Amino acid sequence: DTEVTQTPKHLVMGMTNKKSLKCEQHMGHRAMYWYKQKAKKPPELMFVYSYEKLSINESVPSRFSPECPNSSLLNLHLHALQPEDSALYLCASSQTPHEQYFGPGTRLTVT
Amino acid sequence: DQQVKQNSPSLSVQEGRISILNCDYTNSMFDYFLWYKKYPAEGPTFLISISSIKDKNEDGRFTVFLNKSAKHLSLHIVPSQPGDSAVYFCAASAQGGSEKLVFGKGTKLTVNP
Repeated sequence: DTEVTQTPKHLVMGMTNKKSLKCEQHMGHRAMYWYKQKAKKPPELMFVYSYEKLSINESVPSRFSPECPNSSLLNLHLHALQPEDSALYLCASSQTPHEQYFGPGTRLTVT
Repeated sequence: DQQVKQNSPSLSVQEGRISILNCDYTNSMFDYFLWYKKYPAEGPTFLISISSIKDKNEDGRFTVFLNKSAKHLSLHIVPSQPGDSAVYFCAASAQGGSEKLVFGKGTKLTVNP
């Protein structure tokens, strides 16, 4: 199984809502990542978890809150987002530091 | 300051011919390079990688060449197929086992039948 799954595929939320994005991998990978991708731009790293511990936070606003309940799961909790946070949110996992495997993404729209 | 640059936003080739996608980098600490392919509404798919100790890596129709002195790498696809039409991202990571990938802006490849 070389798949990273993400739910939901699409999410529309208001600026006062609280929602969560979920990511799962069953490849036994030690690291998991959250990226944000805007249209016609490359993916931008947000967070890295290594062995279930947060190892990189790319100065992401606190309205984004990551959580790694176990080695297979990664969540991204969203609260009080802004319309400019609308983007494709990608989850990835890896065993080596380099070769990351991406999920299909969650298309988020903030209204 | 862009550390990984893909200067061609788009490339169009005929089916069966060679596609050459280029990537330049500025950070001499980068020691591992990857190419990802992305279809619309999907996540990037890992394609091929190369370590800085090599200058060539081949996997089927895909070959990546690395020229460290020029800080340049290229992806060759031979022969190109219509199913190769996608956005291709070059990515790099730095020494020390860093888990951070730095991506270029991507090149949209169109392979015409």
